[in-house]
Amino acid sequence: LAKTTQPISMDSYEGQEVNITCSHNNIATNDYITWYQQFPSQGPRFIIQGYKTKVTNEVASLFIPADRKSSTLSLPRVSLSDTAVYYCLVGSSNTGKLIFGQGTTLQVKP
Amino acid sequence: EADIYQTPRYLVIGTGKKITLECSQTMGHDKMYWYQQDPGMELHLIHYSYGVNSTEKGDLSSESTVSRIRTEHFPLTLESARPSHTSQYLCASSELGTGGYTEAFFGQGTRLTVV
Repeated sequence: LAKTTQPISMDSYEGQEVNITCSHNNIATNDYITWYQQFPSQGPRFIIQGYKTKVTNEVASLFIPADRKSSTLSLPRVSLSDTAVYYCLVGSSNTGKLIFGQGTTLQVKP
Repeated sequence: EADIYQTPRYLVIGTGKKITLECSQTMGHDKMYWYQQDPGMELHLIHYSYGVNSTEKGDLSSESTVSRIRTEHFPLTLESARPSHTSQYLCASSELGTGGYTEAFFGQGTRLTVV
């Protein structure tokens, strides 16, 4: 399983765009990149997943460069309710395991 | 909302007691997982299952055991609880979505305190 590296914490203000980058230098050909969000005292929740280039849904965008050794989760116009821990995971459907790293704690300030 | 349930939500129990944390999902997912998470810390995978009668240890060593007799049910058991087992335990299941990705759904968790 590819190891991921993310910043431990980030601060932002309401209304700003937040970009969280994850490094995964050892990503394998079959691996997808998935991001989860976790609020205190709750289980993580799926945000977005991609394989290459750009993916966008109603919540976020995911940018993946051609070499796929990193990815960037983009949250447009964050609000206080976006304060949470964001996890980047790398793996394929064949591995079965879902291994979470330390995640990035995003603090959104008013 | 995902249909995965954990009971109890909170449990305070004395040292040496045997406990079972329940986890059930109604989505028909083959893969299920147990994670352990201390406050403010990362999730550690302690058990996972590919399907009925298939269980494996996760990356974090745990004294707990699991069973998977039915697809929908994945209970976790501690034979003799100790204060070091105090933590939050999260259960999850996953499906293979369109496009080949895996999306995991988590329960609300069980916060265990061993006194």
